[in-house]
Order: sequence, then C-alpha cells, then structure tokens
Amino acid sequence: SAVISQKPSRDICQRGTSLTIQCQVDSQVTMMFWYRQQPGQSLTLIATANQGSEATYESGFVIDKFPISRPNLTFSTLTVSNMSPEDSSIYLCSVATADSNQPQHFGDGTRLSIL
Amino acid sequence: TQLLEQSPQFLSIQEGENLTVYCNSSSVFSSLQWYRQEPGEGPVLLVTVVTGGEVKKLKRLTFQFGDARKDSSLHITAAQPGDTGLYLCAGGGWDMRFGAGTRLTVKP
Repeated sequence: SAVISQKPSRDICQRGTSLTIQCQVDSQVTMMFWYRQQPGQSLTLIATANQGSEATYESGFVIDKFPISRPNLTFSTLTVSNMSPEDSSIYLCSVATADSNQPQHFGDGTRLSIL
Repeated sequence: TQLLEQSPQFLSIQEGENLTVYCNSSSVFSSLQWYRQEPGEGPVLLVTVVTGGEVKKLKRLTFQFGDARKDSSLHITAAQPGDTGLYLCAGGGWDMRFGAGTRLTVKP
C-alpha cells in the first residue's frame, strides 16, 4: 500500500495561531481525507480533499476553521486556524482508491497541543 | 448517518486469554474494516470484510461479518502483550465512520 508521510509529527502552538499540516503520498491516489482524533477518542472525518476543487466538509467542520488544499494527486494540506485548546488533537490524513469498498490507509498523524 | 457501536470500550486481560470485540449497527454496510492503532501511530488496517457471513483469519485473530452485514466481531485467541492497542471498526465507504474503539491491554 501507499506510504503516507505527515509533517509535522507533533507541535505545540499558542492559542490564536494557525498551523498547516502536510500529507505527502508516494504514489498518486484518487481520494484523500482528513480526520481528527481527540484525546482518548475515536476518529472523526473532517473533510474529503478534492483535487482541483474545494474540499467537502462534514457536519460541524467549516472551511474557515480548517482550510484544505489538494494541488495534485499526491499532496494535501490541512490548516487549523485560530487555534484554541479545544483543537488539541491528533490530525490524520488517509488515502484510498476510486473503489469506495476498498479500505483507507492512514498516515501516522500530527499530534497538536494548544497552550 | 451510519453509526457503529463498538464494545467493550476497555478490556484488560492476562496473556493467554481469549477475547471478543463487537461492532454493531442498525445500518447495512457494503464493507467493514478493522484497524489497530498503537500510541503515536495512525490506524493500521487489519482486515476488510465484504460478504455477509464471511470469516477471515489473521494468525490468532478471527474476523466475522454478520449475515445481514450490520455487525462484525473480532476474536483474539491466546492474547499476547503485543496485541495491546486500540482496535477500531469502520465502515461507510468514503464517508467512513468509526466505532468508539476498544482499548485492549494484555498483561504478561
């Protein structure tokens, strides 16, 4: 399966600042997704990163807070804007093929702490 | 929204014991996935089940998909400390939903 690299792996940020997380895949993939995993909890889908168009956001997540880019088939970024302590989470990138029955594969995540 | 209920949420057992984790829903899924996540890492895919009634084995792990494709189970035989981790079931295709997870601790 594809090798998925996320940067940074962790960061500690001040409230009110923004951080951009990068997700790089070693091969072209059709689908890329961003998830949030709050402390001690499961994964929640933030959005689907669409190549060449605006991301598709899930209920409860908005573009102003979590702008996403996907300039090509191997790269995507997620920005967490105007951060507050409630944004402290692990943010995960995943990839999948065009077949929706095929599983998603995940990067190792970015552990974000907001002071 | 397709919801997945996973149980138990926490499980602490001794090495050598058997255990079963359940993943239930009122919705039908075309496929379900099981992942294991260890601290500091992303979820790693263990298996995908697609056909109702399907049973898949991965060494000491046995996965079953319910006949109606609404539920699944993961059974571990003779658990080892290396099995410790967060086990997650997921389904829903691209609009993937995850269960709450089962945090398994296997004590030596």
